[in-house]
Amino acid sequence: AQTVTQSQPEMSVQEAETVTLSCTYDTSESNYYLFWYKQPPSRQMILVIRQEAYKQQNATENRFSVNFQKAAKSFSLKISDSQLGDTAMYFCAFMKPGAGNMLTFGGGTRLMVKP
Amino acid sequence: DAGVTQSPTHLIKTRGQQVTLRCSPKSGHDTVSWYQQALGQGPQFIFQYYEEEERQRGNFPDRFSGHQFPNYSSELNVNALLLGDSALYLCASSFLQRSYNEQFFGPGTRLTVL
Repeated sequence: AQTVTQSQPEMSVQEAETVTLSCTYDTSESNYYLFWYKQPPSRQMILVIRQEAYKQQNATENRFSVNFQKAAKSFSLKISDSQLGDTAMYFCAFMKPGAGNMLTFGGGTRLMVKP
Repeated sequence: DAGVTQSPTHLIKTRGQQVTLRCSPKSGHDTVSWYQQALGQGPQFIFQYYEEEERQRGNFPDRFSGHQFPNYSSELNVNALLLGDSALYLCASSFLQRSYNEQFFGPGTRLTVL
């Protein structure tokens, strides 16, 4: 079974600054997907970024980028130029291909962006 | 495209009662997954429905059951409610046959058990 751990329950950052959220996972699989989801106070979960384990290049989506370290089983999210709208819960998640779409989530990090 | 919709938004029940939550998937999606998110925690997978059958199940007791209809919508039923069942219940839909299956989440149903 896979486990996902987010060791930072809460973080804060000043608007326009950069923040990094940490995630570690444990799996015996060699091929898998990793995700960061954002859950704003209105509750609807949205996908921020995904990484395929067989790709060495780190994924980037506008202000969001990841640092994927497969050997260390680490998957951190960097948010650049933080905006007030980035305030939310952020969840790291794991998915094994071929297992349908079952996601295993970490416990989340609450990010507060301060003006 | 309405996206994933869930009803009701909020629900209050008492211990021992039964509850039914509903989910309509995003247009074009054929798979529905249900997750339980306790307060301050990450979502936990309950089960997944595809072609009107339960395909995968997480570590939840048989009190949790579901159904998928021919139009791909789904219901989650919880019997003999316990205080610990209080949570946000999330529905996610996807299209199973694609090599990468992004899940789209609904806004959730907040269940409070008194």
